[in-house]
Amino acid sequence: AQTVTQSQPEMSVQEAETVTLSCTYDTSESDYYLFWYKQPPSRQMILVIRQEAYKQQNATENRFSVNFQKAAKSFSLKISDSQLGDAAMYFCARLNNNAGNMLTFGGGTRLMVKP
Amino acid sequence: KAGVTQTPRYLIKTRGQQVTLSCSPISGHRSVSWYQQTPGQGLQFLFEYFSETQRNKGNFPGRFSGRQFSNSRSEMNVSTLELGDSALYLCASSLAPGPVGQPQHFGDGTRLSIL
Repeated sequence: AQTVTQSQPEMSVQEAETVTLSCTYDTSESDYYLFWYKQPPSRQMILVIRQEAYKQQNATENRFSVNFQKAAKSFSLKISDSQLGDAAMYFCARLNNNAGNMLTFGGGTRLMVKP
Repeated sequence: KAGVTQTPRYLIKTRGQQVTLSCSPISGHRSVSWYQQTPGQGLQFLFEYFSETQRNKGNFPGRFSGRQFSNSRSEMNVSTLELGDSALYLCASSLAPGPVGQPQHFGDGTRLSIL
């Protein structure tokens, strides 16, 4: 099975500090897409960042950036200057190029932000 | 622009009943996907519809079915409900299906509880 693994069920960070969430995945495809989604208690899944596998450059969105290591099949999310509003479940997801819109999700990491 | 709208927000049913959930995608989005989220199994892909046709299907029994209308609105139906069907059902829409890897936008979900 082609899986997505998030090895940290819970993480904690002090407000204004930096935290990194880990994600590894398995795929036999050479072209695919990777995403990080945030799910606050309100339930709605919110797209945080997107990475195209054929691009070497790591994606960044304001305080959010990724470290994409294609050979290692690793896709970690770094949150800088953490804010209280960043507290949520974070899900890593993979979309294979030949699978329509079928996302495969990791198990999630609960991020707590301490004031 | 209105987001993805799912109705109802909460639903309580008993075993053996059937249920229909509704999803209205973002205006202009033609692809609609459904996911089941449970504490034990995490987020699992149910199916995807594009242009009123099922494009992909996850590994769920035939009790789970869906359809898409000409206005891109989608419904999913679960027949002969079981206790294990209790879950948050999320709908996501995107501008197009793969392989361009368009990000999916999620609704708030329908929380289904089976008694």
